Amino acid sequence: EVQLVESGGDLIHPGGSLRLSCAASGFTFKNYNINWVRQAPGKGLEWVSHISGTSSIIYYADSVKGRFTVSRDNAKNSVYLQMNSLRDEDTAVYYCVRYYGGNEPLDYWGQGTLVTVAS
Amino acid sequence: SYELTQPPSGSVSPGQTATITCSGDNLGDKYVSWYQQKPGQSPVLVLYQDTKRPSGIPERFSGSNSGNTATLTISETQAMDEADYYCQAWDNAVVVFGGGTKLTVL
Repeated sequence: EVQLVESGGDLIHPGGSLRLSCAASGFTFKNYNINWVRQAPGKGLEWVSHISGTSSIIYYADSVKGRFTVSRDNAKNSVYLQMNSLRDEDTAVYYCVRYYGGNEPLDYWGQGTLVTVAS
Repeated sequence: SYELTQPPSGSVSPGQTATITCSGDNLGDKYVSWYQQKPGQSPVLVLYQDTKRPSGIPERFSGSNSGNTATLTISETQAMDEADYYCQAWDNAVVVFGGGTKLTVL
């Protein structure tokens, strides 16, 4: 069974840092890209970042570029999202999502982890 | 940047057909996926590559994509189909989501 489990969400002050983790199981992790998608309270889905299976291709949304860094450790079947200089508008549930590549969809979503940025 | 536009809300009576649209420039040239999200839950893939259903998704979910508009159709809508629905496409290898449509089954 494919599973993606996010962790690391917390209440953090503006300007602070936080590291999210996504632990994967049930599939050959290195063969899959992972995307981070967030959802602010009561709002829609917003794509945040993409990392390829080998970490050779990385993309960020303009809203987080220069502040967030995505990485992965295929030996640990894990992906990380380092979030720095956090802002109020970064408050959201953060999902890690599996994506094979090409024309395939975002087929499996984790349960999400809540990040709250507030003073 | 590429944008996808969905109506914010829609309603349907049980047993009737619901249609949710997603618009974008030359969207028919791209593959569209649709995700269902119920309150407090993670999104679930219900359609991909415009018309394909993942395993476990009922046949009453179908889709089309042509010109500037993709459509999700739910036939014989049930109360359990009440949810938010998001379309998604790729633009230069980047994920783009529509704003979401809240479907109410009255």
